[in-house]
Amino acid sequence: SAVISQKPSRDICQRGTSLTIQCQVDSQVTMMFWYRQQPGQSLTLIATANQGSEATYESGFVIDKFPISRPNLTFSTLTVSNMSPEDSSIYLCSARQTNTEAFFGQGTRLTVV
Amino acid sequence: GIQVEQSPPDLILQEGANSTLRCNFSDSVNNLQWFHQNPWGQLINLFYIPSGTKQNGRLSATTVATERYSLLYISSSQTTDSGVYFCAVLYGNKLVFGAGTILRVKS
Repeated sequence: SAVISQKPSRDICQRGTSLTIQCQVDSQVTMMFWYRQQPGQSLTLIATANQGSEATYESGFVIDKFPISRPNLTFSTLTVSNMSPEDSSIYLCSARQTNTEAFFGQGTRLTVV
Repeated sequence: GIQVEQSPPDLILQEGANSTLRCNFSDSVNNLQWFHQNPWGQLINLFYIPSGTKQNGRLSATTVATERYSLLYISSSQTTDSGVYFCAVLYGNKLVFGAGTILRVKS
């Protein structure tokens, strides 16, 4: 299993600002992902974080709004840019080896005011 | 893309009761997981179960991949079982989530 630490765990931000969320895994993993969970909804995949290259974004998500870095096999960041109240959600980092069980960080609860 | 449907959407139980949650999926998948999201938002892994049956204490799960469904059984429910239960399937390289079942266990 993998232990995933996310920070911050929660934040309240002003609209128009940006927030960077960090995700640290306790061991090297093949794959890392970022999800969004809007209030009362299920989890939606934002992007696959690729080590050393640009992330692969899902339909409806763009790099300018959600830039992602993954400099090595244990760490990734997600930035939520130019925030609006609609960005208020829980953002979750996930990691797994290829075709194995996925694990999740504790999530970052973001409120934009 | 694949559709993942969970039922029921909401469930209220008296403490001590048993329940069955269902997950149907519309295409062949590489594997399947069940999660419990607690009131603080944390996702807790319950089962990694591409096929067959597994048990962990009061919880057990069965996946019949050929018929494209999985079941999660909760026996002798406790108030701490309350929360949202998600089924997620690995489709290609992506984990796709169902809408979840909201479970409330009353004492």
